[in-house]
Amino acid sequence: RKEVEQDPGPFNVPEGATVAFNCTYSNSASQSFFWYRQDCRKEPKLLMSVYSSGNEDGRFTAQLNRASQYISLLIRDSKLSDSATYLCVVNPLEYGNKLVFGAGTILRVKS
Amino acid sequence: EPEVTQTPSHQVTQMGQEVILRCVPISNHLYFYWYRQILGQKVEFLVSFYNNEISEKSEIFDDQFSVERPDGSNFTLKIRSTKLEDSAMYFCASRSSGYNEQFFGPGTRLTVL
Repeated sequence: RKEVEQDPGPFNVPEGATVAFNCTYSNSASQSFFWYRQDCRKEPKLLMSVYSSGNEDGRFTAQLNRASQYISLLIRDSKLSDSATYLCVVNPLEYGNKLVFGAGTILRVKS
Repeated sequence: EPEVTQTPSHQVTQMGQEVILRCVPISNHLYFYWYRQILGQKVEFLVSFYNNEISEKSEIFDDQFSVERPDGSNFTLKIRSTKLEDSAMYFCASRSSGYNEQFFGPGTRLTVL
C-alpha cells in the first residue's frame, strides 16, 4: 500500500463549482498533515495544515479523520487560478523530519 | 515575506561530473531539507539537516550525495558523480523550530547528459 494515496484526476470543473479531494495515508502513527499546491514545474506551496478539528481558510476547508486515516480538501467557488496539482502531504512524526507526498490530484477550472 | 532561495535555477552537466546545488533557507529557520522530483513523479524526501548534522536520510541519499552548511546562510547539496537518473528538480525546504510547516524554494532543475 502506498504511504499516501490520492486520486490523480484530473478534475475538470467550471468556475464557481465546489470540488473535493480525498487522500488516505497508511502510517497510523502520522502526526501532521498538510495540503500543498503545485503549479506546473514550480515548487510545492503550502496551502494549509490539517488539524483533527478541521480547519477553514476562506474558500478552502480541510478535514482529518484519524480513525479512517483519511484527509480531505474542499474548495468552494472555484476560480481559474485554482487550477493546479494538489498534494496531500503527511509528516510521520510530530516535529520530525521528512514529509511524505502523495502523487497529487490535478484540478482544472474552466470558464 | 521571507522565502527560500535556490541557485542555479537550471544546471546542465555531463554524466560523471560533480554538481553543487545551493540554497539559502529562511533566516530564522533551523531545520533544512532536500527533496527531489523526477519529471512526472511525486516529490521524494532526500535528507534532513539540523544542528550541522544529518538527522535523517532516504535510500536515495547514497554515498554520492552529501550536504553541508558552509556558513550561516547557505545549505548545499553535492552530487559527486552524476548519473542520468539524477536528472530531476531538486527542492530545498526549511522550517522553524516549534512548527511543522516546511517552506520550499523554487527548485533547481538538474539535467544530466
